[in-house]
Amino acid sequence: AQSVTQPDIHITVSEGASLELRCNYSYGATPYLFWYVQSPGQGLQLLLKYFSGDTLVQGIKGFEAEFKRSQSSFNLRKPSVHWSDAAEYFCAVGTGTASKLTFGTGTRLQVTL
Amino acid sequence: DAGVIQSPRHEVTEMGQEVTLRCKPISGHDYLFWYRQTMMRGLELLIYFNNNVPIDDSGMPEDRFSAKMPNASFSTLKIQPSEPRDSAVYFCASSQSTGGRSPLHFGNGTRLTVT
Repeated sequence: AQSVTQPDIHITVSEGASLELRCNYSYGATPYLFWYVQSPGQGLQLLLKYFSGDTLVQGIKGFEAEFKRSQSSFNLRKPSVHWSDAAEYFCAVGTGTASKLTFGTGTRLQVTL
Repeated sequence: DAGVIQSPRHEVTEMGQEVTLRCKPISGHDYLFWYRQTMMRGLELLIYFNNNVPIDDSGMPEDRFSAKMPNASFSTLKIQPSEPRDSAVYFCASSQSTGGRSPLHFGNGTRLTVT
């Protein structure tokens, strides 16, 4: 079965600084990978997804993520964080044989002004 | 599109009472999922449906939980009787029928408090 690890529970960055959120997955074949963001009191919103092809994917709100097969990673990045990016971020993995996603435990991002 | 609609947004009930959560998926989406989110356990998949048929209910915690999808535009998650440990945010999500490639679209959740 697939699994997802987000090693950082909480991260604090200054507004304008760069951001990288880590995600490692475990799956025997090529996975489908997703990043979601959850603002307080809201549901999860899709930021970006990777299925195949170019390993660097662009998403909404200026986020990008890079799939590295050799490291089983799919880290989320943003060059310059805005205060409105403060939220919880979830990495998720899907497989070709099932429609359900497996989510990581999330990383809470705090942005200081 | 209105997105996935869940009701109620908040529910407070006493232990032993029946609770029914409701969900309207996005029109045209063939899959519907119920998730539970808690601080301790994160996001847990409870059950999911394909074309109104339950496919995997292995995440349903116990017999007190049941879910139905009588038609393509409506689903319910029922807890009877409710217990304090059921307190959580319950999310409904829907997706198109493309297997693991399909992103989920989430509702805003129902925050359940059982006292």
